[in-house]
Amino acid sequence: NAGVTQTPKFRILKIGQSMTLQCTQDMNHNYMYWYRQDPGMGLKLIYYSVGAGITDKGEVPNGYNVSRSTTEDFPLRLELAAPSQTSVYFCASMQGIYGYTFGSGTRLTVV
Amino acid sequence: EDKVVQSPLSLVVHEGDTVTLNCSYEVTNFRSLLWYKQEKKAPTFLFMLTSSGIEKKSGRLSSILDKKELFSILNITATQTGDSAVYLCAGYNNNDMRFGAGTRLTVKP
Repeated sequence: NAGVTQTPKFRILKIGQSMTLQCTQDMNHNYMYWYRQDPGMGLKLIYYSVGAGITDKGEVPNGYNVSRSTTEDFPLRLELAAPSQTSVYFCASMQGIYGYTFGSGTRLTVV
Repeated sequence: EDKVVQSPLSLVVHEGDTVTLNCSYEVTNFRSLLWYKQEKKAPTFLFMLTSSGIEKKSGRLSSILDKKELFSILNITATQTGDSAVYLCAGYNNNDMRFGAGTRLTVKP
């Protein structure tokens, strides 16, 4: 099915470890986003991209990096995991006026 | 600083009740207001509102935007247990959306 695919679905990291959250969409959308959602909270924007080769910071970019080498892929990199990065991460893409298409989320726990 | 505030934060009703969820926003270069329903996983799209005063409806759900008051409401009539979820609103500018914290709706049988 067409949509946004995130991997992994969940992960446990130790403090200081690094990892990459993968996000791929097959809808040829230009706009892609990474959000984090803490328990009982709304989604906060980490980074976004308006097209291949273009990325920009959102509300809470510290501790994260992104790249957008192709239209399809928008990976999110955590370099030195901290407990404050324990959250659920959602990738989304958008084209046009019908709002976002979200991935199913990655639940990350840093211990 | 852009912000989106939803109220109430949580709401418990019984099946058949009607509920109104509120969303106020301050978003630079505002383009539209979106509502999402989030159950266990990713949010699913409900409505996008761009013009003031035009109600959008989908079954028992409806929503309207007031761009003068920077406010939107989401109404759910004849609630069902399947309506239990977190409802998120978001203000969209030209590049991204700012989400509110959500309203957690619980519908009891």
